[in-house]
Amino acid sequence: ILNVEQSPQSLHVQEGDSTNFTCSFPSSNFYALHWYRWETAKSPEALFVMTLNGDEKKKGRISATLNTKEGYSYLYIKGSQPEDSATYLCALLTGANNLFFGTGTRLTVIP
Amino acid sequence: DAGVIQSPRHEVTEMGQEVTLRCKPISGHNSLFWYRQTMMRGLELLIYFNNNVPIDDSGMPEDRFSAKMPNASFSTLKIQPSEPRDSAVYFCASRYGTDSGYTFGSGTRLTVV
Repeated sequence: ILNVEQSPQSLHVQEGDSTNFTCSFPSSNFYALHWYRWETAKSPEALFVMTLNGDEKKKGRISATLNTKEGYSYLYIKGSQPEDSATYLCALLTGANNLFFGTGTRLTVIP
Repeated sequence: DAGVIQSPRHEVTEMGQEVTLRCKPISGHNSLFWYRQTMMRGLELLIYFNNNVPIDDSGMPEDRFSAKMPNASFSTLKIQPSEPRDSAVYFCASRYGTDSGYTFGSGTRLTVV
């Protein structure tokens, strides 16, 4: 079992603010790191799959970085919009194809 | 593509009854996963299949749980007999290859009374 920790647990920001949150993990013994966006009453939606130290991915206003040596990944949202409100999940994929999820950061963007 | 399709969306059953959850993965995806989501433990992997073959079922909580994938387009998760502590949302997900994210279904909310 991999211990995937996410912080903060919840976050409220004003519309237009930029924000970021953290996924931390104890070791680099994994195959890939995934980020998912999970809106209430829907299912998790894949945002990024990251495999390499120093990897940086971007999709619109959302980007993510990965530091395997120090055991963290950051997710950034630039200019938050109300539709960004969701729970953002980080997950580590082991070589055995087991995806261990963190408990998520719940983001609320206030109009 | 309609995505990963799960049925039913909601299931309410009495303790002791058999429950069968169904999943149709995205066509062409070669891996299928069953997850359970609870408030206490978040998303937990129950079992996954690769090319219809069960690879890791170590997450299946008890012998009361079983899963099958008779072909590439269908999988079931069965609980027999069901207990109130099985109440949760059960998600099915599928994926192609090893470098892509998972595509999740809408989940089945199971309530055992």
